[in-house]
Amino acid sequence: AQRVTQPEKLLSVFKGAPVELKCNYSYSGSPELFWYVQYSRQRLQLLLRHISRESIKGFTADLNKGETSFHLKKPFAQEEDSAMYYCALKIGNMLTFGGGTRLMVKP
Amino acid sequence: NAGVTQTPKFRILKIGQSMTLQCAQDMNHNYMYWYRQDPGMGLKLIYYSVGAGITDKGEVPNGYNVSRSTTEDFPLRLELAAPSQTSVYFCASSYPGVNNNEQFFGPGTRLTVL
Repeated sequence: AQRVTQPEKLLSVFKGAPVELKCNYSYSGSPELFWYVQYSRQRLQLLLRHISRESIKGFTADLNKGETSFHLKKPFAQEEDSAMYYCALKIGNMLTFGGGTRLMVKP
Repeated sequence: NAGVTQTPKFRILKIGQSMTLQCAQDMNHNYMYWYRQDPGMGLKLIYYSVGAGITDKGEVPNGYNVSRSTTEDFPLRLELAAPSQTSVYFCASSYPGVNNNEQFFGPGTRLTVL
């Protein structure tokens, strides 16, 4: 069965430090992966999708099929990046979410 | 556009009570979803709908019912509330084929069953 794992529940970094939020998936088919973010007191929203190969708010994520990973990276973290981040695997019309990682960026 | 709206924001139920969580969207999205999020866990899909009159079970449908009589509304019904249903409930909607079926989420309903 498909599964998404985010091994870190909490990641704490200082402002300006690089950040990497890990996401691993298990799925036998061709995956479509996403990162969703929830800022404090805001609703969950799409951050980026692997198929677009885009950079949003300085974040990038590369799909590594060999390692079945889709880690989210940013070279220099900002305080406004503090939020909950969820990795999600799309199969058909449904999303399977990981457990989420809380990113805290300290000044 | 209001996007996806949910009511109520908070609710406390007693065991065995029933209630309906309301969800509406004004984006003319065909697809709508209900998720629950338990503390420290990811979102789990309860039910989803690909259009008016069509619903299907997700990963954790037991104890819930849904209906989709209009494109805009997708209420979630709890018939006999149990403490295990204490959670935050999120409704979402999407339009197929647009932006990889990006889902738009409501603000959530925090439900406590005592």
